[in-house]
Amino acid sequence: DVKVTQSSRYLVKRTGEKVFLECVQDMDHENMFWYRQDPGLGLRLIYFSYDVKMKEKGDIPEGYSVSREKKERFSLILESASTNQTSMYLCASSLLSDGTQYFGPGTRLLVL
Amino acid sequence: SQKIEQNSEALNIQEGKTATLTCNYTNYSPAYLQWYRQDPGRGPVFLLLIRENEKEKRKERLKVTFDTTLKQSLFHITASQPADSATYLCALVGRGSTLGRLYFGRGTQLTVWP
Repeated sequence: DVKVTQSSRYLVKRTGEKVFLECVQDMDHENMFWYRQDPGLGLRLIYFSYDVKMKEKGDIPEGYSVSREKKERFSLILESASTNQTSMYLCASSLLSDGTQYFGPGTRLLVL
Repeated sequence: SQKIEQNSEALNIQEGKTATLTCNYTNYSPAYLQWYRQDPGRGPVFLLLIRENEKEKRKERLKVTFDTTLKQSLFHITASQPADSATYLCALVGRGSTLGRLYFGRGTQLTVWP
């Protein structure tokens, strides 16, 4: 079974802090994705990566950056956390072949 | 602009009935369409994939249809059970998308009551 893990289930941070969310997958998938999910807005893509050191902006990249130094690991960075970044963050990975995505359990981030 | 719409935000049905969820899209030409299930506080879980040249796909009590003329997919759960209560998301993969990006609808929350 594919396993996607995220470093934290719950996280509380202060405004202005630098926040790192880590995601690891164990199935040698090329693609990895970061989404945020808010009530009524659905899943929104922040960034994705189709190879090591490669990244593409999604629909809402502002205020975020990403890092992919190894194939299995994809990190989301909030350079200076703000209260409007309070959300559920979901990581996913997929093969190129059919795009089926495997999601992690999510990190619920609260920025005070 | 591109849009994916799922028929309603919430659907309530009685146990044993068939639940039918709708996914409509505009300004896409998807190579295939997927359905996911999401439970509260958890990540979505893949259920079924249907390709543009397939009309129907089944898996146990689940059935998906895909009509590229109507630009619509229907997702059916037969003999529904309270354990089927969850949010169901449809997602499209565009033709020629080599990066595997999915475009998600906002989901339909299904409640099956005893």
